[in-house]
Formats: sequence, structure tokens, C-alpha cells
Amino acid sequence: DAKTTQPPSMDCAEGRAANLPCNHSTISGNEYVYWYRQIHSQGPQYIIHGLKNNETNEMASLIITEDRKSSTLILPHATLRDTAVYYCIVRVGKYDTDKLIFGTGTRLQVFP
Amino acid sequence: GAVVSQHPSWVICKSGTSVKIECRSLDFQATTMFWYRQFPKQSLMLMATSNEGSKATYEQGVEKDKFLINHASLTLSTLTVTSAHPEDSSFYICSAIPDRAYEQYFGPGTRLTVT
Repeated sequence: DAKTTQPPSMDCAEGRAANLPCNHSTISGNEYVYWYRQIHSQGPQYIIHGLKNNETNEMASLIITEDRKSSTLILPHATLRDTAVYYCIVRVGKYDTDKLIFGTGTRLQVFP
Repeated sequence: GAVVSQHPSWVICKSGTSVKIECRSLDFQATTMFWYRQFPKQSLMLMATSNEGSKATYEQGVEKDKFLINHASLTLSTLTVTSAHPEDSSFYICSAIPDRAYEQYFGPGTRLTVT
């Protein structure tokens, strides 16, 4: 699976949009971009995934560049409860039947 | 959504003893479960893939005789840390996948402290 690069930390004001970037310049055509987050001392939580089209669900939006070498996770209205470590993972397969390899992630701190 | 539980949520044991951690999928069947370990301020490290009815597949560097994994049913996988030592103290997390799902569901984790 392709390697991802994320900034180690970011801050965001409560109520503002949080934009978390991820670089995956070596991504292959059949690899999906997944985002998970881990709130302190809890198990990770799935957020969203995509292949090449932008995706949106009740939690977030995922914007993938046309060349697919980078993506951005957008939390439209960040709250204090969104403070967590966010992991961008690139892996083969739409169905999550294969293992996930976690990188170092981005620690997002939402402040009042 | 699907729920994965772990038991116990935390455990303290003495060096040299063995500890068993259970991972259960509460409202779905899971052919495949995964076990991760996480040290403080570090990312999750995959330890092994647990498949129902067959032997687990361990990641490189993980001692299979020390971390025994059993996946005897479609809703239960267990991780036994044998002859635990202080360096085994960590946060152990499992995950499970429903059939044809696109996301893994993670348990809340088990914090192991070996004294």
C-alpha cells in the first residue's frame, strides 16, 4: 500500500472548518483513501473513504485531487469533541477485508 | 452501527503471568479480526490478523508464541499475552469486519500494565 504523509499537528477554532491534508503521491489506480480518527484512549473510528470522486457523509467531506496524489479531509464545523488524531490510510480494495497500516497521523486540537 | 467490545478494559498483572483479552463482535459475525498494540503517544501497530477457524497471521517481529490468538467463533477472538513482562505494558485494540463491509469496527481497547 502507498505511503501517506500528514502534518503532525493542527489547531482549529470551534465552529470553523478543519481541513486536514494528506499526501499520497505514490498511490496506485486501485487504491482507496481511508480516514479514521482516534479520540484519546479509545479505539479508532471510521470517518470516510474514497477512490477518486469527492465524498461526503454526515461526519465529513473528502476532497481528492484530480491526480489523486493528495487529499483533504474537511470537518465543516469543528467541535471540541473532534479533538483527536486523524489517520489517512491508502489501501487496496473497496471492501475493508484487508489489514490497515496506520501512519503517525495528524493531532487535531479544537479550541474554544 | 456495528459494535465491538473488549474485556477487560484494563488489567494489571504481575511479571511472568499470562493475561487473556477478549474481543467480541456484538451484533454481527466477523470472519476476520485484527489485533493492534499502541504505546503511549505512538500510532497503532498491527500485531496479527485473526481468521475464524484457522491460525492467525502475525506481522513481522511479533512473537506468535508470546501473543497467542484464538478465533474460535465468528463473534469472538482472544489474545493471550503469555509470560508477560513490563515491556508488554501497552494499549491493546482489536477490530472486526462485517461481511462485505468497507470499514473496520474497533473495540474500545484494553490497557495492560505488567508490574
